[in-house]
Amino acid sequence: NAGVTQTPKFQVLKTGQSMTLQCAQDMNHNSMYWYRQDPGMGLRLIYYSASEGTTDKGEVPNGYNVSRLNKREFSLRLESAAPSQTSVYFCASSEPGMNTEAFFGQGTRLTVV
Amino acid sequence: GNSVTQMEGPVTLSEEAFLTINCTYTATGYPSLFWYVQYPGEGLQLLLKATKADDKGSNKGFEATYRKETTSFHLEKGSVQVSDSAVYFCALRRRDNKFYFGSGTKLNVKP
Repeated sequence: NAGVTQTPKFQVLKTGQSMTLQCAQDMNHNSMYWYRQDPGMGLRLIYYSASEGTTDKGEVPNGYNVSRLNKREFSLRLESAAPSQTSVYFCASSEPGMNTEAFFGQGTRLTVV
Repeated sequence: GNSVTQMEGPVTLSEEAFLTINCTYTATGYPSLFWYVQYPGEGLQLLLKATKADDKGSNKGFEATYRKETTSFHLEKGSVQVSDSAVYFCALRRRDNKFYFGSGTKLNVKP
């Protein structure tokens, strides 16, 4: 039972480099999310996708782009990485509806030097 | 706006002590409320949830009651174990399906 799978698990980038964080879920969920986790700040929503082909900004979208390629996959792209983007990134998925929880991946630890 | 406020950690307790982690929220409408737990190096796992006022969520000895009048969802456990050491997050889900999280509370349980 894979659930939500994120790749890579760890990444070091130089300032100005670009990269894409991958996320896939096998639970047939419509909603998918990208969060970043920073010490003392909890999880902050970067982008949200309600369904294939739709995306919506969250609390901290600047410096990021997303693609909802199909129902399973939701990628997060950093076009020009900055040290302020050093963080742990989590992808999550959920069914619509107030009663359902979000399921999380294992996270990607990104360091920008 | 929507926000979740948790008590600052870390919280350090001896095994078998009583645990309370406070959580209050601000939200328009009636959100659903959740507690998640994160073990080192892992993602967040659902611990319990409550979807309407006065609901009590419970799991693995943990409990929390959705209190609309005080906009609170405090986490409690009667007797903690060393294995409960982790970071605990309070969260709410709005009607637009977005989740908002508190800053997390680290719990250390000593044998």
